[in-house]
Amino acid sequence: KAGVTQTPRYLIKTRGQQVTLSCSPISGHRSVSWYQQTPGQGLQFLFEYFSETQRNKGNFPGRFSGRQFSNSRSEMNVSTLELGDSALYLCASSSGQGARVTFNGYTFGSGTRLTVV
Amino acid sequence: GQQVMQIPQYQHVQEGEDFTTYCNSSTTLSNIQWYKQRPGGHPVFLIQLVKSGEVKKQKRLTFQFGEAKKNSSLHITATQTTDVGTYFCAGPQGAQKLVFGQGTRLTINP
Repeated sequence: KAGVTQTPRYLIKTRGQQVTLSCSPISGHRSVSWYQQTPGQGLQFLFEYFSETQRNKGNFPGRFSGRQFSNSRSEMNVSTLELGDSALYLCASSSGQGARVTFNGYTFGSGTRLTVV
Repeated sequence: GQQVMQIPQYQHVQEGEDFTTYCNSSTTLSNIQWYKQRPGGHPVFLIQLVKSGEVKKQKRLTFQFGEAKKNSSLHITATQTTDVGTYFCAGPQGAQKLVFGQGTRLTINP
């Protein structure tokens, strides 16, 4: 079965602009989690969506938002980009039973590498 | 909130040497997961441990979950160049959030 698809793979944006990233989970998976990965901070949790509802949110400013559609595809948006937003943004797909019982783990997409100049 | 700490941050070994990374949580975990990220790649799920004191093996990789379910380790016997990458442990915080350790980056001298 197809894996997790993230688009685009690379983005270069200017400070102050906004960006939208897309994630299509594995077919049948209803949970999508987003992470920001930087060399200094590791993998930081942004938010998790299940059946179009945000169930959990990390400690990021309101400039970071997301949504999930009825087909489980998810988007995240970053407004008013700052230099510090440069990172690899990873989307993770799971069945949605929750992190406590995710016996098959999360399946990550290849990520979107965002560079803010 | 819950923190997951991993040590060491970096490890460089000669090919054929063993490697171990340790993971410690500030709270008791319902399970611990391990992921591997190759250079330029994305994290790939390796295994999940659920039971106190559990030990699981995958070829040259041995995973352990502590008795108190607050710590875990990954041991690689006789490293190979294909083992290069960053190894992350991760534990649930609540039902819908997975918290990752900082990772241990393994480099190998062939």
